[in-house]
Amino acid sequence: NAGVTQTPKFRVLKTGQSMTLLCAQDMNHEYMYWYRQDPGMGLRLIHYSVGEGTTAKGEVPDGYNVSRLKKQNFLLGLESAAPSQTSVYFCASRENTEAFFGQGTRLTVV
Amino acid sequence: AQSVTQPDIHITVSEGASLELRCNYSYGATPYLFWYVQSPGQGLQLLLKYFSGDTLVQGIKGFEAEFKRSQSSFNLRKPSVHWSDAAEYFCAPWDYNTDKLIFGTGTRLQVFP
Repeated sequence: NAGVTQTPKFRVLKTGQSMTLLCAQDMNHEYMYWYRQDPGMGLRLIHYSVGEGTTAKGEVPDGYNVSRLKKQNFLLGLESAAPSQTSVYFCASRENTEAFFGQGTRLTVV
Repeated sequence: AQSVTQPDIHITVSEGASLELRCNYSYGATPYLFWYVQSPGQGLQLLLKYFSGDTLVQGIKGFEAEFKRSQSSFNLRKPSVHWSDAAEYFCAPWDYNTDKLIFGTGTRLQVFP
């Protein structure tokens, strides 16, 4: 039982490059979330999804796009990376009252 | 707007001492409330949760939390801290009207032997 898997675990991008982070869950959860974690700021919600084909903005959505074409996958895209997007990104899926988290993706934009 | 506050950024305790981590929230209605722990370089693990009923909830690793509606607080406690409890702790209210799970800024716990 893999739970929530994030790919990749580490990535270095140059400013202006694009990339997609993949979150996959095998628990058939409806709700999925993308967060970024920065020192002293906790986890901030970027985007979330309440089901296949739906997405919604969180607290800090600017510069990011998401898609939920399949229920088990939630993709986070950076179209033109900026140094301010250097962070650790966490994905979570939720069933009823408990959220399960991936191990995180450490992204550095230089 | 919904918000959550963890007033203590960093707490240091001696091993064996008691611990209380504070969490205050601001919501229109009583949200569901969670505490998560994050060990260095790791993801988040659920410690405990509150939805309704008994205001004192028990979690894993000997942690407990008490919901106080009058104070809009959900403080985390442990009677005797172990060195392995050193980690970062996050309070997270879930707004079931919007389906958003929002996190506080976290409290980093350091434990001295």
